Amino acid sequence: AQSVTQPDIHITVSEGASLELRCNYSYGATPYLFWYVQSPGQGLQLLLKYFSGDTLVQGIKGFEAEFKRSQSSFNLRKPSVHWSDAAEYFCAVAGQGGYNKLIFGAGTRLAVHP
Amino acid sequence: DADVTQTPRNRITKTGKRIMLECSQTKGHDRMYWYRQDPGLGLRLIYYSFDVKDINKGEISDGYSVSRQAQAKFSLSLESAIPNQTALYFCATSDRLQGTDTQYFGPGTRLTVL
Repeated sequence: AQSVTQPDIHITVSEGASLELRCNYSYGATPYLFWYVQSPGQGLQLLLKYFSGDTLVQGIKGFEAEFKRSQSSFNLRKPSVHWSDAAEYFCAVAGQGGYNKLIFGAGTRLAVHP
Repeated sequence: DADVTQTPRNRITKTGKRIMLECSQTKGHDRMYWYRQDPGLGLRLIYYSFDVKDINKGEISDGYSVSRQAQAKFSLSLESAIPNQTALYFCATSDRLQGTDTQYFGPGTRLTVL
């Protein structure tokens, strides 16, 4: 069955430190991959997406993610975290071709210490 | 103005009451979705619609119904609300012409059923 696993429920980092949020997926074919961010009281905002081509994807707000097919992973990274990055982050996967529903991970809540 | 709007943003109701959540979009997208978010579970798909005449059940449609009144409007109804329907509800849209089904989310409706 298709699934997305975000192993870390909560992560705390200091402002200015680097960040990596993990995402592993289970999918029978090459998927579309997404990262969304949900700030407190807000809807989900698309950070970045991977469809094909270069496996290192750049997104908004200084985030990037790398697709590693051999590890079935799509980890999100940021070199220097800002206090405003405190939010919940969701990884999601969808199939290619036709319509395939978007499957979300359970989310990782990021706290940023000053 | 927001591209995807949801009304109401917050609602408290009692068990057995009928509730309607509304979603409107100005993005011109043909596909619309309803999700619910519960802590630790990510987002789960309730219903989705590819156009006004095409409505499909998602993974957790029991206890819910929908209406696609126009391309821009997609309503979710709880015919007889129960406490375990307390959750955060999101509407989303996507455009098949993009070929990728990238979904864009509204701000959410927080529903509490007492």
